[in-house]
Formats: sequence, structure tokens, C-alpha cells
Amino acid sequence: AIQMTQSPSSLSASVGDRVTITCRASQGIRNDLGWYQQKPGQAPKLLIFAASILQSGVPSRFSGSGSGTDFTLTISSLQPEDFATYYCLQDYNYPRTFGQGTKVE
Amino acid sequence: EVQLVESGGGLVQPGGSLRLSCAGSGFTFSSDWMTWVRQAPGKGLEWVANIKRDGSQKNYVDSVKGRFTISRDNTMNSLYLQMNGLRAEDTAVYYCARDVGYNSGGTYYDVHDHWGQGTLVTVAS
Repeated sequence: AIQMTQSPSSLSASVGDRVTITCRASQGIRNDLGWYQQKPGQAPKLLIFAASILQSGVPSRFSGSGSGTDFTLTISSLQPEDFATYYCLQDYNYPRTFGQGTKVE
Repeated sequence: EVQLVESGGGLVQPGGSLRLSCAGSGFTFSSDWMTWVRQAPGKGLEWVANIKRDGSQKNYVDSVKGRFTISRDNTMNSLYLQMNGLRAEDTAVYYCARDVGYNSGGTYYDVHDHWGQGTLVTVAS
């Protein structure tokens, strides 16, 4: 199975900060990657698919980039509602695999 | 409004069985792939299984192969996860998710745009 490694595991940030989260795949996965946000006690929420396509309704301060093995989720200006845990998910092959998560606090 | 509602979770002894259900509404259930994802207490997300629109293709994570079976009944707008041979490490909140998919240049991308609220499965004696 493809291993997805996120970094950092957690980060401390303030409102207005630019935040960058990285996800690295153990092998090339083209751009077959999504990003999800999860808040405590809630289901995950899709932010980005196909590495860089913003899901409908998601604020434009979120963006994704990357291809092959290295991917990035960027929050251009952190808002209070963005404090959460973020996960990447590869959909290049089966079984799908998530990164271990990055907690933004 | 798209809604997914899971049910069937609970406490079960090791080696036991449980059947989870996910009822979909507000969309054409038969048009979408469906997925199960789980989350152990205090841990990250784990993709478990998915099933094609007509049920003709099913995929599983290795740790549940041979023990779990994903199925669907499009006439009932329902997704299922039959879990046998349960182990302590299967303890988790189980989420169902709709995958509307996105096709670009012949490549299909997963798009899990709606999720249920989750149902807790606890495997303990």
C-alpha cells in the first residue's frame, strides 16, 4: 500500500497566518490526491480533490498544489474556523490511504 | 439536501459480528460510488472499503479483507458493512461517504463530498 506522510504532525499558528501542510507519497501518484478537514466530533469535510481543484463552497483561502510524490495544502490567511486537523488521501490505487493528519492549533 | 445516516454500531465481543447500515437520501443513490472510512478513538482516518454504483466492484483495505463485506441495495438507497471476526483494533467510529467522482482526461478522482455523522463500534469483552 502507498504510504502517505504528512508534515508537520501539528503546528501552532495565529489568525491571519499563512499555513502550509505537506503530504509526501511513497511512490508517484500523479495528482490523485484529496485534502480533508476534520473538527473534533465531526465528520471529515472535503476541501480539495485532484490535488488542486477546490471543492464547491470551500473558501478560496484554501489551495492545493503538487504532483508525483509531493503535495501541499496552503491556507493563505488562517481564520478562527480553520483550527482543525487536516488529512491527505491518495486515490491513485487501492487501498486508498490517508496521511496521519496535521493538527492546526 | 443530501443526507447520509449510519446505524448499527454498538458493543460487541471479540470474534463477534455486526452489520452497519448507511441510509442515503436527497440524491440518486445508484449514481455514486460509496465508501466506508473509520477512525479509532484519538487516531487518524483509515479508508476501509468502497463499492461501485451497481455493486459490481468492491475494494478493501488489507486488514479487513476476508472479514468485512461491503454491499449496497440501490432499491433501498442503502449501503452496508457486514463485519465478522471483529477484533479490538476494529474499534472505531465508522463513517459512510458518497463519492461523486470527477472525471478528467480519462482519470477518475475520488470526491467524497458528503459524509454521515458516524456510528461507533466497540469491540471488547
